[in-house]
Amino acid sequence: EIVMTQSPATLSVSPRERATLSCRASQDIGINLAWYQHKPGQPPRLLIYGASSRATGIPARFSGSGSGTEFTLTINSLQSADFAVYYCQLHNNWPPGATFGPGTRVDIK
Amino acid sequence: QVQLRESGPPLVKPSETLSLTCFVSGFSVSNSYYWAWIRQPPGKGLEWIGTIYHTGDTYYKSSLESRVTVSVDTSKNQFSLRLSSVTAADTAVYYCARGNPTSLFDYWGPGTLVTVSS
Repeated sequence: EIVMTQSPATLSVSPRERATLSCRASQDIGINLAWYQHKPGQPPRLLIYGASSRATGIPARFSGSGSGTEFTLTINSLQSADFAVYYCQLHNNWPPGATFGPGTRVDIK
Repeated sequence: QVQLRESGPPLVKPSETLSLTCFVSGFSVSNSYYWAWIRQPPGKGLEWIGTIYHTGDTYYKSSLESRVTVSVDTSKNQFSLRLSSVTAADTAVYYCARGNPTSLFDYWGPGTLVTVSS
């Protein structure tokens, strides 16, 4: 079973600064990595899939990178709407299923 | 547009069965997508529970498999979750979601809080 880990658990960032979030897989998963944004009272929102492809309607300030076991989500020039919890997720596995990381909370510094 | 909405009792007693239905509009559950249940216990992260295809093929998280049943009703354009023998550890916000064959979830319901308590 592949385990997903994320660091840091909490990231304090000032508005208009850059946030860099990390996700690690316990085994090589290629680029089968997605990122979701989750705000209180709302469902998660798909941001990135295939490690670096932005989902429909996602602003360019969100970017993903990495392959194998190490992945990064970068949020440039943070806006107030970006303060949330971010989850990475292993996808493209068969049979259908999902493994989420524990999440990184991005809050206001 | 695609919309999902969870419905079911907000309170379930320990040892009983949790039952939720996801109503889907704007898209047919019979199309080539998968339909999933995902939950988030209070203060914790997201946990995938199970997925169904319109053919009825189901896939469950191994640790929950003995207690979970996901079904689909194509005539009503909805799918359902049953989780038996619940305990307080099953208290969570339950989400239904649309997934592609690679388990990317692009549409989600708003979520519904289910509390297990006597």
